[in-house]
Amino acid sequence: EAGVTQFPSHSVIEKGQTVTLRCDPISGHDNLYWYRRVMGKEIKFLLHFVKESKQDESGMPNNRFLAERTGGTYSTLKVQPAELEDSGVYFCASSQQGFGELFFGEGSRLTVL
Amino acid sequence: AQSVSQHNHHVILSEAASLELGCNYSYGGTVNLFWYVQYPGQHLQLLLKYFSGDPLVKGIKGFEAEFIKSKFSFNLRKPSVQWSDTAEYFCAVMPNQAGTALIFGKGTTLSVSS
Repeated sequence: EAGVTQFPSHSVIEKGQTVTLRCDPISGHDNLYWYRRVMGKEIKFLLHFVKESKQDESGMPNNRFLAERTGGTYSTLKVQPAELEDSGVYFCASSQQGFGELFFGEGSRLTVL
Repeated sequence: AQSVSQHNHHVILSEAASLELGCNYSYGGTVNLFWYVQYPGQHLQLLLKYFSGDPLVKGIKGFEAEFIKSKFSFNLRKPSVQWSDTAEYFCAVMPNQAGTALIFGKGTTLSVSS
């Protein structure tokens, strides 16, 4: 069974540019989560989808971040325009139930110069 | 707000030494507790979890953790570490309510020398 896959694994962009990160959850997992880890800090929750609906987006830092989940399958996280403080590793995770074990992808490292 | 505190930022041990990583959380209600591990170059993976029942839980690779409700703690232990245990370890808490998110501690880097 394929795990959670994320693309790209690393992105380097200039401040002000746009980046879109993609996450493909494990097939059949209705719950999809985005997390972010800024260097030296804890892994912080960004938002949670149940199928295509946003269950909780309380962790989204500001309106430069837009997450979508088309048809309840893959999800994208767009940052527009990117700022220096957006640099970090963005993790995606999925789960079958709304609680319990989350299965994580390898993360997308974003570097904003 | 709920939070998770991991006491050690970086732990350095020799092979065969015993390991204990501390984790405390702040949340008054029922919680599910997890330890995740990230080996170098790999994704986060579940080491062990506690939902209910026996507060001493056993996970993969010889790890175990004990939930002490009165202390809001969920410490991770291993009697004898190996070089391959070198990784970053994350304690995480999920309040036992539908739709709540997993809250992570800052992580502890474990370096094991052979």
